Amino acid sequence: LAKTTQPISMDSYEGQEVNITCSHNNIATNDYITWYQQFPSQGPRFIIQGYKTKVTNEVASLFIPADRKSSTLSLPRVSLSDTAVYYCLVRRGNQAGTALIFGKGTTLSVSS
Amino acid sequence: DAGVIQSPRHEVTEMGQEVTLRCKPISGHNSLFWYRQTMMRGLELLIYFNNNVPIDDSGMPEDRFSAKMPNASFSTLKIQPSEPRDSAVYFCASREGYTGELFFGEGSRLTVL
Repeated sequence: LAKTTQPISMDSYEGQEVNITCSHNNIATNDYITWYQQFPSQGPRFIIQGYKTKVTNEVASLFIPADRKSSTLSLPRVSLSDTAVYYCLVRRGNQAGTALIFGKGTTLSVSS
Repeated sequence: DAGVIQSPRHEVTEMGQEVTLRCKPISGHNSLFWYRQTMMRGLELLIYFNNNVPIDDSGMPEDRFSAKMPNASFSTLKIQPSEPRDSAVYFCASREGYTGELFFGEGSRLTVL
């Protein structure tokens, strides 16, 4: 599976848009990009997943350029409750043996 | 649905004792994952099952660790004998099909003295 690289930490203020970029240079044709969020003392929670271009849901947007070697998670107008660790994962699609490997993640701190 | 249920939520034990962590996946989910999380090593995949069959246990630290899934609604992770370096939060997660969406339990915090 492709290795992912993302910033260790980011700081923001309430109301701002936050963009977290993840690099996955060795992504394969069958790979999907998945993002998780983890609050302290809780298990990770799925946020969004995409293959190419743009995906949007009620929580975030995911932008994937044509070469798919990177992706950007966009959180619109963050609040204090968005303070968490955000993980970018690359997974092989539609295979029974697909493991989901978490890296170190990006710790996002939102201040008032 | 109640979600993924793990027990115990907290366990404090002494070195050398046997520890058994339990997990009940979401009904209908066919894959189950065990992860361990520490500050130093982050979130590590220990083992995962598909249709109750272990697919990859390469993340299991050593022979002291074992995991079973006797049926679709129950799995255990056992540590025998336990050591202080096993202290961590152990998460169980399940998913339906082969999607990227895992549903995690609240974790079992293990402290080995």
